Amino acid sequence: QSVLTQPPSVSAAPGQKVTISCSGSSSNIGNNDVSWYQQLPGTAPRLLIYDNDKRPSGIPDRFSGSKSGTSATLGITGLQTGDEADYYCGTWDSSLTAVVFGGGTKLTVL
Amino acid sequence: QVQLVESGGGVVQPGRSLRLSCAASGFTFRNYGMIWARQAPGKGLEWVTIIWYDASNQYYTDSVKGRFTVSRDNSKNTLYLQMNSLRADDTAVYYCATVTGAGAARWYFDLWGRGTMVIVSS
Repeated sequence: QSVLTQPPSVSAAPGQKVTISCSGSSSNIGNNDVSWYQQLPGTAPRLLIYDNDKRPSGIPDRFSGSKSGTSATLGITGLQTGDEADYYCGTWDSSLTAVVFGGGTKLTVL
Repeated sequence: QVQLVESGGGVVQPGRSLRLSCAASGFTFRNYGMIWARQAPGKGLEWVTIIWYDASNQYYTDSVKGRFTVSRDNSKNTLYLQMNSLRADDTAVYYCATVTGAGAARWYFDLWGRGTMVIVSS
């Protein structure tokens, strides 16, 4: 069981919007910044969002992040078939003194 | 070219040892903390260990404490993971990644290698 809880899967049609939630506690999300990673099939993870809501250079503005309390959300608009991937949230857990990742969410673009 | 390249994976019997390497190039390796993360077949991402930029501190996930040791040689731009007493549930693709951010509360991992596969099987 992951410390951070994500839905196992989400789906939406091309062009639509989807959100992926990441739920934690005060020892992780509640007091530390969240990052999000995209893992396309057969590839390594790639940083999508850092500091809760910032995008690295090269990441389209279709991807957005937000945080409220002990939960974080990844949003993807204008869905494309190329967005089909697994998405992971991550942060530091101050009580565990450990990096923690969510269990991952598989996005299907129907 | 900015990149991380892992090596050293393979098939190993339970109880044996293996050492993974992560070679960095194209950036100032000694300025960055590093992590190892792994992904068992068909499973999610799992953090394994983190090491400070100067090797002054390390943390490990509970399941590898006392068995795995992370180290680095900043003169060779290389990160290592010494894995002892390997178990079947250590079977995974192992990734290294750079750590960026001012303090643990703001850490994120912005450069990842392609990974190296470790299979623990008799």
